[in-house]
Amino acid sequence: GAVVSQHPSWVICKSGTSVKIECRSLDFQATTMFWYRQFPKQSLMLMATSNEGSKATYEQGVEKDKFLINHASLTLSTLTVTSAHPEDSSFYICSARAPRGNTGYTFGSGTRLTVV
Amino acid sequence: SQQGEEDPQALSIQEGENATMNCSYKTSINNLQWYRQNSGRGLVHLILIRSNEREKHSGRLRVTLDTSKKSSSLLITASRAADTASYFCATDGVSGNTPLVFGKGTRLSVIA
Repeated sequence: GAVVSQHPSWVICKSGTSVKIECRSLDFQATTMFWYRQFPKQSLMLMATSNEGSKATYEQGVEKDKFLINHASLTLSTLTVTSAHPEDSSFYICSARAPRGNTGYTFGSGTRLTVV
Repeated sequence: SQQGEEDPQALSIQEGENATMNCSYKTSINNLQWYRQNSGRGLVHLILIRSNEREKHSGRLRVTLDTSKKSSSLLITASRAADTASYFCATDGVSGNTPLVFGKGTRLSVIA
């Protein structure tokens, strides 16, 4: 139980285009989702906290106009990288509080974004 | 934001040897978790230790937690080549509905 499905698993896009990443909670309602970014050989850095029905909370240094987060329903949160540039190439992963299970959190499988 | 340091940043050992990774954190926690990540892949949850626990075992894994020093260690015994991966600690804060905060990680290479 408590699965988060993240799509796409990888995407290549041209500079200047926008890319949308979706995270769906499959068997539970996720009022809050967390978005992380991971550069090669580095750790996961929290980008923002997404709350259903309200504006996301962004971490310091993360541009909210560049990384648009929408959490319109209890089962879907999306991250849109707008006007992507090569420096946005990274691994993006979402997470949600799981309603059961001893970890308390469940993670999507991640999206590898490459901007060319 | 990140909680703190993990050491070593990279560790290379021979198959069959034990691997020890350390993690330090800064704030009060509800629990601390260890995750594994193979290159370019998602996270695999390994083990969770609660703030009132001092040691926990799971198969070849042994985790310790010292809340007075705000530190934890992960020991992998009798390592295998398949254990080659990055290992991260992550802390769950005492406030509700907060995200996991990850350490910088240790890249473990187990040489067959």
